[in-house]
Amino acid sequence: GQQVMQIPQYQHVQEGEDFTTYCNSSTTLSNIQWYKQRPGGHPVFLIQLVKSGEVKKQKRLTFQFGEAKKNSSLHITATQTTDVGTYFCAGPRTDSWGKLQFGAGTQVVVTP
Amino acid sequence: NAGVTQTPKFQVLKTGQSMTLQCAQDMNHEYMSWYRQDPGMGLRLIHYSVGAGITDQGEVPNGYNVSRSTTEDFPLRLLSAAPSQTSVYFCASSFLRGSEAFFGQGTRLTVV
Repeated sequence: GQQVMQIPQYQHVQEGEDFTTYCNSSTTLSNIQWYKQRPGGHPVFLIQLVKSGEVKKQKRLTFQFGEAKKNSSLHITATQTTDVGTYFCAGPRTDSWGKLQFGAGTQVVVTP
Repeated sequence: NAGVTQTPKFQVLKTGQSMTLQCAQDMNHEYMSWYRQDPGMGLRLIHYSVGAGITDQGEVPNGYNVSRSTTEDFPLRLLSAAPSQTSVYFCASSFLRGSEAFFGQGTRLTVV
């Protein structure tokens, strides 16, 4: 079945450093969404990418959708302690009704 | 505008007990979902609904029932609780098929 994989599973980052997390789908996606979940909280929508090769920025966060629409990346520059949390990517399933298929997430820990 | 409201926030059940997790949204969204979140496994879809009277199974439906009598409400029923159902449960709603999901605050369930 359709799978969405994220790497790495864990990311330890020194405050001020940059890092990238990756999302790969086994099938072509109509869109890719990114969510952030703070510790003890609920997932919160960050952004949606629709077009092949699309790049969007939110302050220090840069999101990219691959040319084949099967992969995506989230790059964070100058990491801050407020970036702590788990970042999920998700894409609509192609089999029925557009149910969202989530990756397992990248848990980000920031060291001051 | 409360968004997606889940109750209760915390629950402890004994093995074999049944209970209903409540979910309500006030955004007039047709699409609603229930997920469970376990460490290292991301968000797994339990059940899904595309409108009042229409539901479908997700990846992990066994042991759970749903119904959708109104657009606003999408309760999740545990028929006979088992320790394997210890998890954090999230309800979510979306306006369009495969679009941005709005999550509730979650229910932390422990089955002993």
